Amino acid sequence: GAVVSQHPSRVICKSGTSVKIECRSLDFQATTMFWYRQFPKQSLMLMATSNEGSKATYEQGVEKDKFLINHASLTLSTLTVTSAHPEDSSFYICSARDGIHSTDTQYFGPGTRLTVL
Amino acid sequence: AQSVAQPEDQVKVAEGNPLTVKCTYSVSGNPYLFWYVQYPNRGLQFLLKYITGDNLVKGSYGFEAEFNKSQTSFHLKKPSALVSDSALYFCAVRDAGGGSYIPTFGRGTSLIVHP
Repeated sequence: GAVVSQHPSRVICKSGTSVKIECRSLDFQATTMFWYRQFPKQSLMLMATSNEGSKATYEQGVEKDKFLINHASLTLSTLTVTSAHPEDSSFYICSARDGIHSTDTQYFGPGTRLTVL
Repeated sequence: AQSVAQPEDQVKVAEGNPLTVKCTYSVSGNPYLFWYVQYPNRGLQFLLKYITGDNLVKGSYGFEAEFNKSQTSFHLKKPSALVSDSALYFCAVRDAGGGSYIPTFGRGTSLIVHP
């Protein structure tokens, strides 16, 4: 099946620093990638949708200047949390959609646990 | 508009018993329906999906789901539960005729299978 990787799996940083999270589709071309945030015992909150080569579309309430998304290739999207604060601590999950084969299935990465001290 | 509801926050079953995790949906047109499973501190894993065709869909790990158009439901089932099935399960729906290909996820149901 399709595999999506995320790196790092866990990161601890100081308040005010920036953190970059990578999401890669390993065996398919992802025309669209999604970034989610998940709080403990809660559902997924879609943050943004990114299409290769174009600007990301952010959901209402998500600060685009704080959560920078880059989708430079068909296999890589990055999320940068800028000037992180403790309230940004969360579990961030990416997913990729195989638009080439139109399977209409999202394949999820393993997630990144961000802790901001 | 599209929406999905998972009415149970938690489902508990004994190992070896059948399990059902409920999901109902609402879409304007025809639905694309998905089930995902999430183990602790992990991303979501795809279990199965309904796009068209047979109402009974078989997926990974012995799970299956039945699409019921009249009841707008897509309940996840397994004939005999395993302790290792304990996890968080998410149902998702997308309107097949909608302009957006972004699915809506339910709030998740925690499945606990006890020995």
